[in-house]
Amino acid sequence: DAGVIQSPRHEVTEMGQEVTLRCKPISGHNSLFWYRQTMMRGLELLIYFNNNVPIDDSGMPEDRFSAKMPNASFSTLKIQPSEPRDSAVYFCASSPRQFFTGELFFGEGSRLTVL
Amino acid sequence: RKEVEQDPGPFNVPEGATVAFNCTYSNSASQSFFWYRQDCRKEPKLLMSVYSSGNEDGRFTAQLNRASQYISLLIRDSKLSDSATYLCVVNKGGNTGFQKLVFGTGTRLLVSP
Repeated sequence: DAGVIQSPRHEVTEMGQEVTLRCKPISGHNSLFWYRQTMMRGLELLIYFNNNVPIDDSGMPEDRFSAKMPNASFSTLKIQPSEPRDSAVYFCASSPRQFFTGELFFGEGSRLTVL
Repeated sequence: RKEVEQDPGPFNVPEGATVAFNCTYSNSASQSFFWYRQDCRKEPKLLMSVYSSGNEDGRFTAQLNRASQYISLLIRDSKLSDSATYLCVVNKGGNTGFQKLVFGTGTRLLVSP
C-alpha cells in the first residue's frame, strides 16, 4: 500500500520566492497534519485538517504561510515570500480516524533550503 | 518552558546494555502519551503508546507518572539497530476532542558494538 506521498523531496530556493509543498495522504485517512522540523525546535505542528476542513492552524508561523486541502487526497503548504529562517524539513502526516490510537503516518518529508 | 522536554543526549551505550530515557510534560490536561522513533534523515514512526499502568513491548518498557508529569522509556539488551532518536509525544487533545500531538525534540541513542 502506498504511504503518505510528499513532493518535492528537496527544494533549494532564494529568499523571496514562493514555495509550494504537496502531500497525498493515505487513502481513507480523514485527518491530515503539516509539521515542520528543525534541529533547534524539533517537530512543530503547523496545521491540522479533518475531513478537508482546517481544525487548528495556531502553529502557522505568520501570514506568509498558507495551507489548503481541496479534497481528501491532496493538500498543499505554501510559503510566500520565503525567508532563510523557513529552512527546515516539512512533514505531512495522516491518520485514519478522528479519535485515534496515536499513530500518525508520516511522509518522507520535504527538505527546504532558502538561501 | 517547552511543553515536552527531553534530554537531547546522545546516549552512547554498548550492545546489550540497558538504557532509559525520560521526558517531562507541562500540560497536566494531556490525554495520552507515546514514544516515536526517528532514524537519521527519515520520518518519525510510532514505537509504542504509554499507558498509566505501564506497558511492555518486547525489550521496550514505557511508564507514565501523571502526578509528576513524567514519562519514561526503558530499552533492555540494546541492539545496534536501536540507534535512533526517540521522540516523546503528548496528545493535548482539546475542547474539540481532536488530537493534537506535541513532540519533544528527541533523545539520540547510539549503540556501539
